Amino acid sequence: DAKTTQPPSMDCAEGRAANLPCNHSTISGNEYVYWYRQIHSQGPQYIIHGLKNNETNEMASLIITEDRKSSTLILPHATLRDTAVYYCIVRLRRYNFNKFYFGSGTKLNVKP
Amino acid sequence: EAQVTQNPRYLITVTGKKLTVTCSQNMNHEYMSWYRQDPGLGLRQIYYSMNVEVTDKGDVPEGYKVSRKEKRNFPLILESPSPNQTSLYFCASSQNNEQFFGPGTRLTVL
Repeated sequence: DAKTTQPPSMDCAEGRAANLPCNHSTISGNEYVYWYRQIHSQGPQYIIHGLKNNETNEMASLIITEDRKSSTLILPHATLRDTAVYYCIVRLRRYNFNKFYFGSGTKLNVKP
Repeated sequence: EAQVTQNPRYLITVTGKKLTVTCSQNMNHEYMSWYRQDPGLGLRQIYYSMNVEVTDKGDVPEGYKVSRKEKRNFPLILESPSPNQTSLYFCASSQNNEQFFGPGTRLTVL
């Protein structure tokens, strides 16, 4: 699976959009990009995933560059409850969830 | 409510005393997995199960056992716990693209 690089931490003002970057320059054509988050010591929570096209759901938007070497998770109106560690994961979908590497993630601090 | 439950949530035990952490899901998912989380090391997969009676090792299986006798349950067994197994443990289940995680079990081995 391709490796990912994320900044260790980011700050965001409450109510503003939070844009979390992820680099995955070695991604292959059939590898998906997944995003999860972990609030404090709770179990990680699925946010969104995508292959090539941009995706949006009720939680966030995922923007994948045309060359697929990087992506951005966007939380459109961050709240204090969005403070968490956000993980970007790249893997082959056909392997289901075995060997699912979470990495170090980005600690997002949403400030009032 | 769709959920993954783990028991116990907190456990302090002593070296060598066998223990089992239970995991149960009510979503009829085929795939289940166990992770441990340690500071600086992130989440690491211990074991996973693709279906009943089908289990395989993850990245850090040493010192652990699992079983999958029925679809909803996936217990994690520590036959002879050691202090280096002190950690935060998460069980997860999934069917398609989304993993659902349990609330975690904080284990301390003295």
